[in-house]
Amino acid sequence: NAGVTQTPKFQVLKTGQSMTLQCAQDMNHNSMYWYRQDPGMGLRLIYYSASEGTTDKGEVPNGYNVSRLNKREFSLRLESAAPSQTSVYFCASSDPWEQYFGPGTRLTVT
Amino acid sequence: LAKTTQPISMDSYEGQEVNITCSHNNIATNDYITWYQQFPSQGPRFIIQGYKTKVTNEVASLFIPADRKSSTLSLPRVSLSDTAVYYCLVNNNDMRFGAGTRLTVKP
Repeated sequence: NAGVTQTPKFQVLKTGQSMTLQCAQDMNHNSMYWYRQDPGMGLRLIYYSASEGTTDKGEVPNGYNVSRLNKREFSLRLESAAPSQTSVYFCASSDPWEQYFGPGTRLTVT
Repeated sequence: LAKTTQPISMDSYEGQEVNITCSHNNIATNDYITWYQQFPSQGPRFIIQGYKTKVTNEVASLFIPADRKSSTLSLPRVSLSDTAVYYCLVNNNDMRFGAGTRLTVKP
């Protein structure tokens, strides 16, 4: 099993550009999450999805949108990237409480 | 939402037992307590989970007092490879991480 996969691994954007981070899990988990982690800091929850068809805001949702495409996939979209969104983005899934994390996407916005 | 508080950092030496305490004063009745470990450039990894009293696995022990307002992660005989950030979570739907405890194990 691949577990949780994320694409891309690295991305550089210019201010104002848009992009979508992809996440997929093959563990048949109901819940999925997006976090960001700034250097030397803990993880902050951006959005989560408790089940297919539902999404909810976390601590820092501004500037992001999400789509729970199906049970396997949960994508994160930056509509107009800003330098403050430079971070490492982690996707996770759980069922019910133990979370499994992907390898992360390192995003730089210049 | 239950908020967690942990020490920012701890130092230890190889072979010692390390105890990291997390406070979660407004934990809800149906909340579980989960601890994760994170190495640089990796996502967090599950260590242990408990609801009350004591839970032990091959890696760690988790002690939870009767009032459940705190919990203690115990790592027996740490090695250099246990140097990492440790996070305590109180499980509710949105799984919020705190700042974590940065453990440094010295030779």
